[in-house]
Amino acid sequence: ETGVTQTPRHLVMGMTNKKSLKCEQHLGHNAMYWYKQSAKKPLELMFVYNFKEQTENNSVPSRFSPECPNSSHLFLHLHTLQPEDSALYLCASSLAGQGRSPLHFGNGTRLTVT
Amino acid sequence: AQTVTQSQPEMSVQEAETVTLSCTYDTSENNYYLFWYKQPPSRQMILVIRQEAYKQQNATENRFSVNFQKAAKSFSLKISDSQLGDTAMYFCAFREGGNQFYFGTGTSLTVIP
Repeated sequence: ETGVTQTPRHLVMGMTNKKSLKCEQHLGHNAMYWYKQSAKKPLELMFVYNFKEQTENNSVPSRFSPECPNSSHLFLHLHTLQPEDSALYLCASSLAGQGRSPLHFGNGTRLTVT
Repeated sequence: AQTVTQSQPEMSVQEAETVTLSCTYDTSENNYYLFWYKQPPSRQMILVIRQEAYKQQNATENRFSVNFQKAAKSFSLKISDSQLGDTAMYFCAFREGGNQFYFGTGTSLTVIP
């Protein structure tokens, strides 16, 4: 049990579909993150939430829509994606404003857009 | 802007030997935190070791230790007695007091039997 749970583990979707990724943390953290990891590319920060408030939106296209209903849950809603959006999507959590608190990651969702 | 550089895209080491992965970073801050993460083929990103910049003593965790050179802004990871399970991508990361983490591009380490 990692403390950060992501579902689904794998997702295949067409470009016209709508789907959602879910992340849940049981670590008492109050900052949650979405990262995109593509082959041969650095880890890309997408969104950061601090106490349910979005504090970072790293120029992410609007076809990705995050939602953070509370400090324990984070969603990433997907619609009209492109094939280049195929990647591993990682959720992570941490304690806000506490520099020594590391990121704790989920297992990721492997997304394939067809 | 804060940056993290890992200059070794790929490395290999014989089982039971020692290997050092390099990481440099750039910041104007005096207080910050450094981390090494491991990502095996199972893709779970796992924290390996953490270093607070205000601490002069290098962090150690079992077979993993760091060589932290604050003036040189260098934070290398040493893996002793390498094991097959150490085969993974290794990422260096940097955090100040806020919520932003900065990652390097990673080093792919292969432990050869």
